[in-house]
Amino acid sequence: KAGVTQTPRYLIKTRGQQVTLSCSPISGHRSVSWYQQTPGQGLQFLFEYFSETQRNKGNFPGRFSGRQFSNSRSEMNVSTLELGDSALYLCASSDGLPGLYEQFFGPGTRLTVL
Amino acid sequence: AQSVTQLDSQVPVFEEAPVELRCNYSSSVSVYLFWYVQYPNQGLQLLLKYLSGSTLVKGINGFEAEFNKSQTSFHLRKPSVHISDTAEYFCAVIPDSGAGSYQLTFGKGTKLSVIP
Repeated sequence: KAGVTQTPRYLIKTRGQQVTLSCSPISGHRSVSWYQQTPGQGLQFLFEYFSETQRNKGNFPGRFSGRQFSNSRSEMNVSTLELGDSALYLCASSDGLPGLYEQFFGPGTRLTVL
Repeated sequence: AQSVTQLDSQVPVFEEAPVELRCNYSSSVSVYLFWYVQYPNQGLQLLLKYLSGSTLVKGINGFEAEFNKSQTSFHLRKPSVHISDTAEYFCAVIPDSGAGSYQLTFGKGTKLSVIP
């Protein structure tokens, strides 16, 4: 099976712009989670989707949003970008409840905000 | 809420020497425990996990970890490291399914540098 893919791998934006990141889970996986990784804050949970429904949301402002499509692909959107949004955004998929079922991570999208 | 503390941010160790990466957690509910590894410019890969049963868990690449409930610890060990083990290691917890939350809480990571 192909692994989790994330596009694009690298992205450069300027403050105030918006960005959309895409994640394609492993075939058959219905759960997709998103994480933000920064040197200062480490890995922080953004949100988790299962069968197109957001089941869980981390402690991020409303500028961060996401969705999941019927084919389990997921997108996350960040509006009104700030310098502090520069980070590696990781997507993970599992075929059931995260925890009981292993989460497989993609290589990430590195976002740089200038 | 849960929290994870990785006591060492960086651990240098000579090749073929043993290593222990320390992890302590805090939680008001039962949790599952994980160790992930991240190589440069890559995503995270699961090394091992503890869900229940034997407290000594064996993972990939010769790593093992021991769950100690009384000390709320889940330290990662390898008896003999290789250059290829140079990476960043993350300890993580997730509430068990009864708690209704499905998010991993990660520690800040430990950078393991293996010295030839």
